[in-house]
Amino acid sequence: QLVLTQSPSASASLGASVKLTCTLSSGHSSYAIAWHQQQPEKGPRHLMKLNSDGSHSKGDGIPDRFSGSRSGAERYLTISSLQSEDEADYYCQTWGTGITLFGGGTKLTVL
Amino acid sequence: EVQLVESGGGLVQPGGSLRLSCAASGFTFNSYGMSWVRQAPGKGLEWVSTVSGSGGSTYYADSMKGRFTISRDNSKNTVYLQMNSLRAEDTAVYYCAKDDSSSMSYMDVWGKGTTVTVSS
Repeated sequence: QLVLTQSPSASASLGASVKLTCTLSSGHSSYAIAWHQQQPEKGPRHLMKLNSDGSHSKGDGIPDRFSGSRSGAERYLTISSLQSEDEADYYCQTWGTGITLFGGGTKLTVL
Repeated sequence: EVQLVESGGGLVQPGGSLRLSCAASGFTFNSYGMSWVRQAPGKGLEWVSTVSGSGGSTYYADSMKGRFTISRDNSKNTVYLQMNSLRAEDTAVYYCAKDDSSSMSYMDVWGKGTTVTVSS
């Protein structure tokens, strides 16, 4: 069964870097995912698509501070030079034949 | 500029119906799949349904099958979500999203959402 697992929370200091993880369920390590950001009281915003080979394509206007990578079934979102506006919920999403699903989301706190 | 504007949310009694609309602009509408995603209060994102660019294929999350119907009018650049037999647990913000391809894919543009409250 296709499942995406994310840690519920993460924190990092202003100006530092943070790496968020999204894990694909067993047997699904070749799937591409997408990352989305949801700032407080706002709708989601697409950040990037992350392919199974680790290449990624970012959405319009997404700063270079945001990057993606992978290792096996794990997909990562790295945010460098953290800013206060990066405090948000981050969701990974994947899709297959007739189904789309989201991870539970990671709430990022910028200290 | 690509834009998605949802409408049609509101307060409805349990067992009632509601139709949401999403007006799209700024892209070739019939070339892309369109999706609805919802978010219950304090919860994460939940995929609801997707319709292909032509409208010929539709997909639903299991909990929505049989109660919700997605459709689109490519002449009006609008996608709809007809929701019947509504339950309290359907209370959520409903987001319209553009998919990256003509069929099931990832969402690359999101609307601001419309709120549905199911309560007596």
